[in-house]
Amino acid sequence: GDSVTQMEGPVTLSEEAFLTINCTYTATGYPSLFWYVQYPGEGLQLLLKATKADDKGSNKGFEATYRKETTSFHLEKGSVQVSDSAVYFCALTYSSASKIIFGSGTRLSIRP
Amino acid sequence: EAQVTQNPRYLITVTGKKLTVTCSQNMNHEYMSWYRQDPGLGLRQIYYSMNVEVTDKGDVPEGYKVSRKEKRNFPLILESPSPNQTSLYFCASSLAPTGGPGYTFGSGTRLTVV
Repeated sequence: GDSVTQMEGPVTLSEEAFLTINCTYTATGYPSLFWYVQYPGEGLQLLLKATKADDKGSNKGFEATYRKETTSFHLEKGSVQVSDSAVYFCALTYSSASKIIFGSGTRLSIRP
Repeated sequence: EAQVTQNPRYLITVTGKKLTVTCSQNMNHEYMSWYRQDPGLGLRQIYYSMNVEVTDKGDVPEGYKVSRKEKRNFPLILESPSPNQTSLYFCASSLAPTGGPGYTFGSGTRLTVV
């Protein structure tokens, strides 16, 4: 079945460092891909999405490109801030699907 | 403000005592869903609803019930809670009949069953 695999956390970086959180997926069709962010004590918020191959989603300085050839959707940011500390979830779904499939989440901590 | 509202935020209860977690959205969304979040397991879908009076099981429905009598509300019912239902629960909604465009999540309900 379809699944999402994320890199294990926690990931700890210094402020202004470059961030990459890896995400790969297994899918039987052509899903839409998402990154969600969960700040402490809050629900998940949609960070960015891409609906087809080679699309790039971007928001708040974060970017991710839908790579069909490598079945990946890695999250990147050029310069992280302390306020980016959160748990990040990669996810996929189909337009006709009844649910979104989430990865297990990657906790990111940024040191001042 | 467009939002999904869950209540309560925190709940401690005893085994076997029926409880209901409420979920309400003010965006006129057709699709609503319940997930539970457990360490190392990510989010797993419990139940979902594509419209009023239309509900179906997700991946982990055992021990839970839902109802969708009105478009805005989608309560989660635990008839006889057990300790393995201790978890963080999220309600989510989406504009489309499915989750395709992405979800709006509530702030979560942390449930402890002792």
